[in-house]
Amino acid sequence: LAKTTQPISMDSYEGQEVNITCSHNNIATNDYITWYQQFPSQGPRFIIQGYKTKVTNEVASLFIPADRKSSTLSLPRVSLSDTAVYYCLVGGSWGKLQFGAGTQVVVTP
Amino acid sequence: EAQVTQNPRYLITVTGKKLTVTCSQNMNHEYMSWYRQDPGLGLRQIYYSMNVEVTDKGDVPEGYKVSRKEKRNFPLILESPSPNQTSLYFCASSRYRTGDKNIQYFGAGTRLSVL
Repeated sequence: LAKTTQPISMDSYEGQEVNITCSHNNIATNDYITWYQQFPSQGPRFIIQGYKTKVTNEVASLFIPADRKSSTLSLPRVSLSDTAVYYCLVGGSWGKLQFGAGTQVVVTP
Repeated sequence: EAQVTQNPRYLITVTGKKLTVTCSQNMNHEYMSWYRQDPGLGLRQIYYSMNVEVTDKGDVPEGYKVSRKEKRNFPLILESPSPNQTSLYFCASSRYRTGDKNIQYFGAGTRLSVL
């Protein structure tokens, strides 16, 4: 399984762009990179998934370099409601799934 | 509405008293999984199931049992709970295909306290 490493926390102001990088040096060929958002006392919620290059949806963008050893989740123009824990998940080739420890993002006015 | 339902949401019990946390999904997903979440440790997988009658250990299976007799249900069983199993538990489901398996739908969580 690819072990993932993320920053423990990040602070931002409203309206700024937040970029969270996840390192996954031993990612397997068939592994996908998936990001989740979690609010206190709720289950994690899927945000975005990618395999290579760039993926964008209405919530975020995901940048994956050619070597796929890292990925960056980009949240454009964050608001207070984006304060949450963000998890990177790398896997899919096998049955077991292993989440990282998560990044606490705090957005202030 | 597509959902994963866990019960109970909150549970306080005593050491050694067997308990079961139920999980049910209505999306016809093949893959189901249990996680525990503790402060500073993120989400750790306890057990997972790739289909009916197919289960396997995650990273922290000790002290837990599961069964998958029906596709929609995946109960978590604590035969003899101990205080170190006090935690927030999540059930999740997804399709079992490369890529799809990572897109997990989570339940609302069960907060368990073992005294």
